[in-house]
Amino acid sequence: KQEVTQIPAALSVPEGENLVLNCSFTDSAIYNLQWFRQDPGKGLTSLLLIQSSQREQTSGRLNASLDKSSGRSTLYIAASQPGDSATYLCAVKGSYIPTFGRGTSLIVHP
Amino acid sequence: DVKVTQSSRYLVKRTGEKVFLECVQDMDHENMFWYRQDPGLGLRLIYFSYDVKMKEKGDIPEGYSVSREKKERFSLILESASTNQTSMYLCASSLTRGSPDRSGNTIYFGEGSWLTVV
Repeated sequence: KQEVTQIPAALSVPEGENLVLNCSFTDSAIYNLQWFRQDPGKGLTSLLLIQSSQREQTSGRLNASLDKSSGRSTLYIAASQPGDSATYLCAVKGSYIPTFGRGTSLIVHP
Repeated sequence: DVKVTQSSRYLVKRTGEKVFLECVQDMDHENMFWYRQDPGLGLRLIYFSYDVKMKEKGDIPEGYSVSREKKERFSLILESASTNQTSMYLCASSLTRGSPDRSGNTIYFGEGSWLTVV
């Protein structure tokens, strides 16, 4: 059974720092990996989707990488801002059903 | 843009009531999912459906049922609500893997439904 782990569980950084969130998974037979953002009390918003054949995807200050063979993905956030404060989840999809990590709770303080 | 709409954002129900949570998506997605999210437990899959009238149990189906009479609508039913079903419920949808799609089978979520059972 696929297991997805996100480290760290929580992170607090000053504004302006570049930071890396980690996602690891146990079964490398995946179709894609998706990163989400969740604000308190809200649903999940898709940030980036990486297909299994891709190595990375970029959107603005966000860059996600995928190393399928080692079962790892990272989400890089450049020049963090207080508005980036949220929980970030990754999900891997090997069949119909995605498997989610428990998320990294990020606080960016001014 | 894809939109997944959960009709009720906040509900308060009494123990023993029958509760319906509705979810509608507007992008002709085959797959639809219901999750619940609780602090410290993450997202847990209740049921999913890969086609009209098709349903499969997820990890925690006990106490729940679902209905998918039309492709765009997936309903979660609590036959007799209990206090341990107080939670945030999230609906999601996606295309079937292998379908041509510029978004590459992205999963889309609704805004969530907060259910309190008293």
